[in-house]
Amino acid sequence: DSGVTQTPKHLITATGQRVTLRCSPRSGDLSVYWYQQSLDQGLQFLIHYYNGEERAKGNILERFSAQQFPDLHSELNLSSLELGDSALYFCASSVAGVVTEAFFGQGTRLTVV
Amino acid sequence: AQSVAQPEDQVNVAEGNPLTVKCTYSVSGNPYLFWYVQYPNRGLQFLLKYITGDNLVKGSYGFEAEFNKSQTSFHLKKPSALVSDSALYFCAVRPPGSSNTGKLIFGQGTTLQVKP
Repeated sequence: DSGVTQTPKHLITATGQRVTLRCSPRSGDLSVYWYQQSLDQGLQFLIHYYNGEERAKGNILERFSAQQFPDLHSELNLSSLELGDSALYFCASSVAGVVTEAFFGQGTRLTVV
Repeated sequence: AQSVAQPEDQVNVAEGNPLTVKCTYSVSGNPYLFWYVQYPNRGLQFLLKYITGDNLVKGSYGFEAEFNKSQTSFHLKKPSALVSDSALYFCAVRPPGSSNTGKLIFGQGTTLQVKP
């Protein structure tokens, strides 16, 4: 168990809908990262938050947004969902800094039908 | 463009034999390199990292990796494979110049199959 908790584990929703994925980082970790894993794109970095502030943005669609709250948990919001958004979404957390390894949650499997 | 390549989709090895999972990177400057493992229906687990110093890095579960700057490689190795090592392995790089973030660029992954 990495200590990173993601909910829900599975989500099935229809095209055009909006969903929210939640991540609770390991105790004491200030950084939260979101990644998308799909068969065609592999593992892609989406966004990084550090202590409530956005630090880096990757290949994140405009329909997607994220935030990190004062208690350090993070939410990834996906809207106007398309079939191609079906993927495994991972959250990872790390203490701080850029050389420390990140610890990954078990992921949320999103299926858009 | 900065990238990581894992040239083999799958590596097959017999239990007890040594294993190597290959990784090459393409970044400018000195990268930070990582290996992660993913078991079915699980998240990624950290195995080891190279930041600086000794080119041979030892990690979890008996794995090690060798950083080779001239060949821009960071191959994962284990002297004696176990059936339980069967999983999906990812090489990743934190590009130099990303001073504010630990975001990673991942390779496509290599499936390791260890047969009894």
